[in-house]
Amino acid sequence: AQRVTQPEKLLSVFKGAPVELKCNYSYSGSPELFWYVQYSRQRLQLLLRHISRESIKGFTADLNKGETSFHLKKPFAQEEDSAMYYCALRRAGGGADGLTFGKGTHLIIQP
Amino acid sequence: EPEVTQTPSHQVTQMGQEVILRCVPISNHLYFYWYRQILGQKVEFLVSFYNNEISEKSEIFDDQFSVERPDGSNFTLKIRSTKLEDSAMYFCASRGAGQDNEQFFGPGTRLTVL
Repeated sequence: AQRVTQPEKLLSVFKGAPVELKCNYSYSGSPELFWYVQYSRQRLQLLLRHISRESIKGFTADLNKGETSFHLKKPFAQEEDSAMYYCALRRAGGGADGLTFGKGTHLIIQP
Repeated sequence: EPEVTQTPSHQVTQMGQEVILRCVPISNHLYFYWYRQILGQKVEFLVSFYNNEISEKSEIFDDQFSVERPDGSNFTLKIRSTKLEDSAMYFCASRGAGQDNEQFFGPGTRLTVL
């Protein structure tokens, strides 16, 4: 069985401070990891995935297979980063597979 | 930019009634999904659909649930006899061909079972 754990339900940081949203996973095979974001009153949208190794909106995430983690980081938070963030997993190469989501972290950036 | 659409945005029904939730995926997409999110809980995968058949389903997707692509554009989720615990936000998603293509989500339908 696969599981995604996001230990923080709520994370509040000040504008300009660094942000780290934690994600740990449990999966016996080779995973693909994703971060989805949901801004207020908007739909879930893909922020980034580990295979593309991109930085999107200043966010990065590195897959650490040893620690089974995929933490999302941004060096300087902006107010528009306030949103719900969901870490998700699927089987590597499992293009048709459904995603397994964590419970989400509500990120609040204070001015 | 094309988007996944879902109707209705909110559905209220009595326990035991049948409901059909509708989704229009992005037009050239080939893979379709339903997820649900009970209030305060995680988004949970229900079912994936490809080439006119279910390709994967979760334990939640029992005999009460069915999916259909009746006309080549709509993708529906039917719940035969709703229970109180079916109250949730239901999200549809679609994906194009290719392993790396992302899933695009609809805005969701809030189902309330009374």
